[in-house]
Parts: sequence; C-alpha cells; structure tokens
Amino acid sequence: AQRVTQPEKLLSVFKGAPVELKCNYSYSGSPELFWYVQYSRQRLQLLLRHISRESIKGFTADLNKGETSFHLKKPFAQEEDSAMYYCALSGLSNTDKLIFGTGTRLQVFP
Amino acid sequence: NAGVTQTPKFRILKIGQSMTLQCTQDMNHNYMYWYRQDPGMGLKLIYYSVGAGITDKGEVPNGYNVSRSTTEDFPLRLELAAPSQTSVYFCASRWTSGGTGELFFGEGSRLTVL
Repeated sequence: AQRVTQPEKLLSVFKGAPVELKCNYSYSGSPELFWYVQYSRQRLQLLLRHISRESIKGFTADLNKGETSFHLKKPFAQEEDSAMYYCALSGLSNTDKLIFGTGTRLQVFP
Repeated sequence: NAGVTQTPKFRILKIGQSMTLQCTQDMNHNYMYWYRQDPGMGLKLIYYSVGAGITDKGEVPNGYNVSRSTTEDFPLRLELAAPSQTSVYFCASRWTSGGTGELFFGEGSRLTVL
C-alpha cells in the first residue's frame, strides 16, 4: 500500500537552529517524493521534489531508499519558515495518485 | 492566469442538503484532484481525474461524486451532507504524472455541516 508518515505534528525551534522534518514512506515501486508547504493564509505550494535534487529557500531533502525516508532539512531556521509542511508521494507505476502525509507544523521562534 | 479557482470559499450546510464545490483551472492541465484537509489528518484524496471523461476514487470517496466533462472543470458533489464532511476542500491540478508534474492548488473551500 502507498503510505506517507510524518511522525511529528509540531516542531518548534529557535531562529538559527537546525531543522529536520521527518518523512517515511511505504511504496512497492519507484516513488517520486515531494515536499509541499502551506504558509499562513496562502495556498499549498511545492517546495521541492527529490527528482530535481535542488535546494529551495535553504531546504534540502535526500531520498534514502534503504530507510524509505525523505527528510527535509535546513541548517539555520528563519522565522519566515514557520508553516505547515507536507510530504507527498507519487508512483510512476500507479494511476497517478499523489498521497500526502499528515503534515508537520514548524514554528520558528525569534 | 488565474490558476486553480474554487468556489465557494465558505459554505454552511444543514444535514441532508446537497451542494457542488466548483473547481476550474486555466492551465490546460490533464490531471485534477480533490482533497479534504482535516486537523491532524493532513490531506486525504477524495477523487481524481487523469483527463476529460475519466475519474477515479481516491482514499475517501464515500459521500462524494465527481464529473469531468471538460479539461477545465472538475466539480465535487455532496449529495447528502453529513457532519463528518465538515472540512476544508482543496482542488488541485497538474500537467503530467509522476515526478515531473508540480501540483497547483486552489485556495480551498471551507464547508461546515450542521
């Protein structure tokens, strides 16, 4: 079955601290993994996807197939990073469903 | 481009009433999706469509119906509203499947069933 698990509902850090938002997945084929972000009063939007291997707003995420994880990391958190973060999975071999995790709220205190 | 537009933004329904949430996109995307967002539960896929005339069930389809007569529109219908359908509903679309297609979301529709 296709599943995305984000174990933390809330993550609170101080500005300048490192951040790691955890994401684990379950999928039998080759997954495509994404991180979406929802800032206050804004639409959900794509933050980054593993296939691009990019860094957006200082965030990176590496797909670890051995541990079936796609954790989101940032070395120095900023207050403007406060938002709801969703990990999502899509499989190339299925019928194009994109499944989301339950989300982690990141709070960055000054 | 307006992107993905949802209407209405807010609605209160009585139990047993029916309504349709409208979704339209002007990006010529093939793929469209309806999600509901409940506190602590994240986003759950209700229905999706890979093109005009083709729809399929997601994780939580019960109590809902969809149609896709055009590429642009993907309405979500609630036939007999129940309190369990109180949620925020998001419509989304993308051009391609898998990893190459960024999902674009609407602003959401907050539905309360009393």
